[in-house]
Amino acid sequence: TQLLEQSPQFLSIQEGENLTVYCNSSSVFSSLQWYRQEPGEGPVLLVTVVTGGEVKKLKRLTFQFGDARKDSSLHITAAQPGDTGLYLCAGESNSGYALNFGKGTSLLVTP
Amino acid sequence: GAGVSQTPSNKVTEKGKYVELRCDPISGHTALYWYRQSLGQGPEFLIYFQGTGAADDSGLPNDRFFAVRPEGSVSTLKIQRTERGDSAVYLCASSLSATVTEAFFGQGTRLTVV
Repeated sequence: TQLLEQSPQFLSIQEGENLTVYCNSSSVFSSLQWYRQEPGEGPVLLVTVVTGGEVKKLKRLTFQFGDARKDSSLHITAAQPGDTGLYLCAGESNSGYALNFGKGTSLLVTP
Repeated sequence: GAGVSQTPSNKVTEKGKYVELRCDPISGHTALYWYRQSLGQGPEFLIYFQGTGAADDSGLPNDRFFAVRPEGSVSTLKIQRTERGDSAVYLCASSLSATVTEAFFGQGTRLTVV
């Protein structure tokens, strides 16, 4: 199994602060995905990064894929309460049919 | 419907009982996946269907778990002789093709075994 380690596990910040969460593995992935999951809901795809070194921006969220395609980061600028949720990274398994998920980073943004 | 629909949203059952969890995928999606998410964990793969057949069931934890998709649309996850350790959120996802990175997830069924 290709393990994905996410850090930090929990993060509590105030509105307006910046933050970065990390997703690391010893395995190479063809792509990595980031999801956000809110309580009582399923994960919702935010972005897929494919190319080593790739940077993608989604409004205040910036995603980066490591050059070696083993790690990724998510940076949020000027966090808002609506950003609260569980952020999960995932990569395709060797079979290609399944996603291996990290345990997630639980983010709480308070007003 | 517009998205993946799972029923029931919540299920409480007694240890040893049999349960069925239903997933209605997005119309036209041929690929369907079941995942299990325990408290404080990310989702873990259980089984993948392409059409009516289970193409990969390597994630099913033991023979108490079984899933079917008889007509290539709705799928049912069946758990026999439930145990307290089966308590989790069971997530279903579907995709248009066998491209797991383009799958959409349902809201999940929270199963509690007491």
